[in-house]
Formats: sequence, C-alpha cells, structure tokens
Amino acid sequence: DAKTTQPNSMESNEEEPVHLPCNHSTISGTDYIHWYRQLPSQGPEYVIHGLTSNVNNRMASLAIAEDRKSSTLILHRATLRDAAVYYCILYYSGAGSYQLTFGKGTKLSVIP
Amino acid sequence: KAGVTQTPRYLIKTRGQQVTLSCSPISGHRSVSWYQQTPGQGLQFLFEYFSETQRNKGNFPGRFSGRQFSNSRSEMNVSTLELGDSALYLCASSLEGELYEQFFGPGTRLTVL
Repeated sequence: DAKTTQPNSMESNEEEPVHLPCNHSTISGTDYIHWYRQLPSQGPEYVIHGLTSNVNNRMASLAIAEDRKSSTLILHRATLRDAAVYYCILYYSGAGSYQLTFGKGTKLSVIP
Repeated sequence: KAGVTQTPRYLIKTRGQQVTLSCSPISGHRSVSWYQQTPGQGLQFLFEYFSETQRNKGNFPGRFSGRQFSNSRSEMNVSTLELGDSALYLCASSLEGELYEQFFGPGTRLTVL
C-alpha cells in the first residue's frame, strides 16, 4: 500500500487557520486522498477526501499538489473542538471493498 | 438518525477466554468494518462485511472472526484471548457507493487480564 508521512504534532492558536501537511510520494493514479480525525475518547470521524482537484466542505478544505505527491488539510479557523489526531490516508476503492490503513497521524493542539 | 452503536462499551476478560462484540450500523448502511486500536500499533483494519459476506480481511490471526446478519448488524469474536488483545475495538459503517465516508462507533474497550 502507498504510504503517507505526517508530522507527529502541530500547534495552532484558536481562531487561526491551520495547515496540516501530508506527503505521499508513492501515490498511484487511482489512489484517493482521505482525511479522518479522531477526537479524544471517540472513534475516527471522516473529514474530507479528494483525487486531483482541491475540495471544500463544511469542515475543511483539501489542497492537492499538482503532482499529487503531497496534500494539505486546511482548517480555516481552528477551534478548541478541532484538537484531535488527524490522519491522512490513501486508498483505491476500485475493488469494491474498502479498508482504511491508518498511520500515526498528526496530533493537533489548539491553544486558547 | 441514530449513529453506530457498539455493545458492550467495556469488557474485562481473562486469558484463554473468548469474547463477542456487537455492532449496529446506521440504518441503511450495509457495509460494516472492524478496527483494532492499541497505543503501540495504532488503528488496524480487521475485516469488512457487506450483505453478510466478508469482503476484505486484514492481517490478524484466525482467532479473530466476524459475521454479519441480514439486518446488517455485525458481531466480532475473539477466541483464546491473549494479553495483547487488550485494545479498543471500533466498528464503522458506510453506504455502498459512499464507502469513503465511514461512520465510527464509540468502540468497545476490551481488557484481557
């Protein structure tokens, strides 16, 4: 499986934008880029996913490099509730099944 | 609508015993996946079920098994428990056609003594 590399931890001030990077230099043309997050004492939560183009939803934006070897999850205004472990995951779902291969993720701390 | 529910939330067993965990997916979701989370190994995929059939399986020994019922509810069984099986077991469900968005339950915390 293609691997992702993320910083172990990041800090952000509340109400400021946060850019969470992910490197995936071995990504294949059919791999989608997914982001999930896990808040303390909860199961993971889907954030966003994309293939080639930048994506926006109510939670975040996903910026994908032109060569697709890296991507950035953008939280536009960090709140205390955004403190979580963020996972960048690659997966090709063409086989009709689905599994998520989680790495270590980035632990985001939000400072009030 | 109700989220994914898992029972029990906490469980304590001793080595050699077996355990069954239950997961009720979101109504209408037919895909159910199971994950194990430990501090050392992180989140690891166990298996995925769809329409009562196992479609995908992770790298876990045969002591870990599961099944899915016609109402999409799923159970996971671990036989001959080992200390290393102590973990948070998470269940996730999703819609066929939207498999990328998995909805996770709160998990079952299993402690093996």
